[in-house]
Amino acid sequence: AQSVTQPDIHITVSEGASLELRCNYSYGATPYLFWYVQSPGQGLQLLLKYFSGDTLVQGIKGFEAEFKRSQSSFNLRKPSVHWSDAAEYFCAVGPNNQGGKLIFGQGTELSVKP
Amino acid sequence: GAGVSQSPSNKVTEKGKDVELRCDPISGHTALYWYRQSLGQGLEFLIYFQGNSAPDKSGLPSDRFSAERTGGSVSTLTIQRTQQEDSAVYLCASSLVLAAKDTQYFGPGTRLTVL
Repeated sequence: AQSVTQPDIHITVSEGASLELRCNYSYGATPYLFWYVQSPGQGLQLLLKYFSGDTLVQGIKGFEAEFKRSQSSFNLRKPSVHWSDAAEYFCAVGPNNQGGKLIFGQGTELSVKP
Repeated sequence: GAGVSQSPSNKVTEKGKDVELRCDPISGHTALYWYRQSLGQGLEFLIYFQGNSAPDKSGLPSDRFSAERTGGSVSTLTIQRTQQEDSAVYLCASSLVLAAKDTQYFGPGTRLTVL
């Protein structure tokens, strides 16, 4: 069965520091991969997505993610975190034979220290 | 333009009552999805619609849950005889077409509390 694991439930980084959020997936074929962000009281917003091709994808708000097939990973990165990045981040897999269904990880809550 | 809207934003109900949650997708989006976000289960997929049709209802947690979509637009998620374990945030999303690649745009959710 397809699954997504985000090993870190909560991460705290200092403002201006770099960030990496981990995501591992289990899926038989090359998956469609997504990162969403959820700010308090807000809906989910798509940061970036990967389907094929270049394994380093750029997203909004200065985020990027790298697909590594050998590690079944799709980690999210940002070189310099801003206080406004504090939110919950969700990695998701979109199986390509189940309509548009998304399977989400448990989420990583990011706190930013001033 | 308008995004996905959901109503009500908050709903408190008593155990055993029925509730209806509404979703207005982005105009022109043919695909609509319902998800549930709860502390114990994280974000879980419930059901999707292609137009007014829901080909796969296997994600609905029990037969107390049902959903419909009319006119290829508004969708209603109904929970009958609510239980405390139904307490969660119910999220709706829509996309232009039904495809794993297509971006899903999420609404703000309905927070359901069952007392």
